Amino acid sequence: GQNIDQPTEMTATEGAIVQINCTYQTSGFNGLFWYQQHAGEAPTFLSYNVLDGLEEKGRFSSFLSRSKGYSYLLLKELQMKDSASYLCAVRGDDYKLSFGAGTTVTVRA
Amino acid sequence: ETGVTQTPRHLVMGMTNKKSLKCEQHLGHNAMYWYKQSAKKPLELMFVYSLEERVENNSVPSRFSPECPNSSHLFLHLHTLQPEDSALYLCASSQGRGTGDEKLFFGSGTQLSVL
Repeated sequence: GQNIDQPTEMTATEGAIVQINCTYQTSGFNGLFWYQQHAGEAPTFLSYNVLDGLEEKGRFSSFLSRSKGYSYLLLKELQMKDSASYLCAVRGDDYKLSFGAGTTVTVRA
Repeated sequence: ETGVTQTPRHLVMGMTNKKSLKCEQHLGHNAMYWYKQSAKKPLELMFVYSLEERVENNSVPSRFSPECPNSSHLFLHLHTLQPEDSALYLCASSQGRGTGDEKLFFGSGTQLSVL
């Protein structure tokens, strides 16, 4: 089966940096996604990694190490609106997305 | 606005009721999905439709019955549900079956409570 682990909750201060880790054990690998989900809203796509390394998109960056089965999402210059749940998802050999349980990030003033 | 609309946003039903969840996508996508999201648990894939044909049924109980009349609409018919079926039901769509960097576009979900 697919196993994807990420911390349940994280808290950080406005303006700070937070790193959300995701480790996975899956049958094959065809890419890793990060989604953001605000309470009561649809999950929205943040990033995609298929090769090792860092992908940067403004204040958000995502890193992948396939050999370690590891990814992280880095949120810089945190803003109150970044308070949300962040979902890590891996596409396996069957091309289905398997999701982690999500990490709830709370940004405090 | 993700281009995927779900109705109703909230639904309370008894165990003997029959209700339906509706999903519509305005993105011209060919694949549509139903996911179940329970608190503190990973999203669970329930059904996948590709070009209106069901291609995935993830061991879902028969009290959940999907219907895809065309590539833009997806329904989830519910009957004789159990309290443990209370969850957020998310609909999603993608251009194809999900290869490469194809991402899912989600609706805001239907929060279902079974009494």
